[in-house]
Amino acid sequence: SAVISQKPSRDICQRGTSLTIQCQVDSQVTMMFWYRQQPGQSLTLIATANQGSEATYESGFVIDKFPISRPNLTFSTLTVSNMSPEDSSIYLCSVEAGKNTEAFFGQGTRLTVV
Amino acid sequence: GENVEQHPSTLSVQEGDSAVIKCTYSDSASNYFPWYKQELGKGPQLIIDIRSNVGEKKDQRIAVTLNKTAKHFSLHITETQPEDSAVYFCAAWGEYGNKLVFGAGTILRVKS
Repeated sequence: SAVISQKPSRDICQRGTSLTIQCQVDSQVTMMFWYRQQPGQSLTLIATANQGSEATYESGFVIDKFPISRPNLTFSTLTVSNMSPEDSSIYLCSVEAGKNTEAFFGQGTRLTVV
Repeated sequence: GENVEQHPSTLSVQEGDSAVIKCTYSDSASNYFPWYKQELGKGPQLIIDIRSNVGEKKDQRIAVTLNKTAKHFSLHITETQPEDSAVYFCAAWGEYGNKLVFGAGTILRVKS
């Protein structure tokens, strides 16, 4: 299994500002995913980040709001831009070795926007 | 696209009893079905998974069954313990969607 480190683990931010979340994996992985989990809810996929190409965003999520970088096979960042209280959620990084393989999650970043 | 429904939303059992959580999926092409356990303040942890070429898989007190014809799969936890208390999510990986789709989650409470 992969060991995933996410930073920060939590943050409280002012509305209108941006926060960048980092995801570091202890091994090279093909596919990295970013999820949002609103309080008491399930996981919703934001985007898929593959190294060497632009991220693929799910319906309802746009690059201007959630820019993603994937500079190499062990690292990715998600930025939550121009934050509002509605962005208060847990943001999770996930990795998979390939399609239809086990997916592992980081511990999440708990974001509160005030 | 794939849609996954999960029941029940909450489940309370007495320590030592069994717990069963059920999920249905819509995409007949889905072929990978993992289950995750999420404890408070932590990310989801993979506890067991099953692929479409088998009907059942066991790992100690945890088992998963799959009925491809009916498009449903279930998580079975036997001899429940207080540390089994958590939120459990089922998921399905669609052949064409190229992503995991999660159920809504089940809050399991094991009373001692």
